[in-house]
Amino acid sequence: DTGVSQDPRHKITKRGQNVTFRCDPISEHNRLYWYRQTLGQGPEFLTYFQNEAQLEKSRLLSDRFSAERPKGSFSTLEIQRTEQGDSAMYLCASRFGLAITDTQYFGPGTRLTVL
Amino acid sequence: AQTVTQSQPEMSVQEAETVTLSCTYDTSESDYYLFWYKQPPSRQMILVIRQEAYKQQNATENRFSVNFQKAAKSFSLKISDSQLGDAAMYFCAYRSADFGNEKLTFGTGTRLTIIP
Repeated sequence: DTGVSQDPRHKITKRGQNVTFRCDPISEHNRLYWYRQTLGQGPEFLTYFQNEAQLEKSRLLSDRFSAERPKGSFSTLEIQRTEQGDSAMYLCASRFGLAITDTQYFGPGTRLTVL
Repeated sequence: AQTVTQSQPEMSVQEAETVTLSCTYDTSESDYYLFWYKQPPSRQMILVIRQEAYKQQNATENRFSVNFQKAAKSFSLKISDSQLGDAAMYFCAYRSADFGNEKLTFGTGTRLTIIP
């Protein structure tokens, strides 16, 4: 399977706990994106990487959120001290990045439930 | 900031018939890209069709076509010969043409039901 993969697919946690999600982009894609999708809404942009550099962060990304992409391959999104409002689907996408018209390919998402 | 509006939360169509999903957007930019993404139940989002704003010709992909009205800031998706596999959430999305402005801005989606 050469698509974008995300792990875990589902995560249930208690309020106040830390969680970490992983995204593996399509091989050779240098752009990687994180989005959050709440029920009944479209995805909202959180942040993106070009190789290992984090180039843009949304205001939605509070200081409890941190994302990394060491070595420009996989990426992790960590949420510290989770709150019930963090319950959402977290989507990862990647694109090749050489042409502005390159398509963003999405992964299956990680569904987070904060109790 | 750009916004994308999908005013139809739900649509239904008889199998083999044609359906049109609406999308409007607001931007002050002259060059940008518009997309329709499909999100089947419990499956990942996939690109259906893309339109470059500088192209006057409407994009088509097999049974899917768009009606892009730049002056009206309207971007509707037409699905012809609807099939059961077309049932999904459909999201309209906007992206600036500026290099470095990478994010997609999505609408709230339209849930499409196909009636056998």
